[in-house]
Amino acid sequence: QSALTQPASVSGSPGQSITISCIVTSSDIGSFDYVSWYQHSPGKAPKLMIYDVSNRPSGVSNRFSGSRSGIAAYLTISGLQADDEADYYCSSYTTTTSYYVFGPGTKVSVL
Amino acid sequence: EVQMVESGGGLVQPGGSLRLSCAASGFTFSRYGMNWVRRAPGKGPEWISYISTTSSTIYYTDSVKGRFTISRDNADNSLYLQMKSLRDEDTAVYFCARDLLGHYGMDAWGQGTAVTVSS
Repeated sequence: QSALTQPASVSGSPGQSITISCIVTSSDIGSFDYVSWYQHSPGKAPKLMIYDVSNRPSGVSNRFSGSRSGIAAYLTISGLQADDEADYYCSSYTTTTSYYVFGPGTKVSVL
Repeated sequence: EVQMVESGGGLVQPGGSLRLSCAASGFTFSRYGMNWVRRAPGKGPEWISYISTTSSTIYYTDSVKGRFTISRDNADNSLYLQMKSLRDEDTAVYFCARDLLGHYGMDAWGQGTAVTVSS
């Protein structure tokens, strides 16, 4: 049982915006200040999309944005494109245990 | 180009051992903390171990403590994971991942090597 929960799937049409939630279900997570999001397609290396809740690494499209409200973090993909289809995982670093915890993942489908 | 290539996976019987390797290139390996992360079939990723730049700080997730050993060779730009007393639940694709400098997150990953523990 993960300390983070995500919807199993989210879908949208090309050009639409979708939002994936990541909700803390365990106090082990702590302050939830260090949320990151990863994109993973089968056979490919996972890709960091967002770190520290809302920061985008160099090279990541500004169609991807992150936010947090209380015990929930969100990844929004705007202007949905076919190649956005992938699994998306949230993760949190817990300073109390020096662990990274991952959510179960959300499969994004582009209709 | 930043690249990390894992190797060493395969089929092993319960109780057996394997040594995974991760060959890094395209960046100054010695500047980065490194991690191993695994993804079991049908599950989300699981972080399993971290090693600092000089190997002075090492962490493990509870389920592998005492069975897995992380190490690195900065002269050879390589990361290793020695796994022993393997269990069915260790079956997964194992990824090496580079720590994001100055922040929490992993900004470069390999494509993974598959480990199957089965009799």
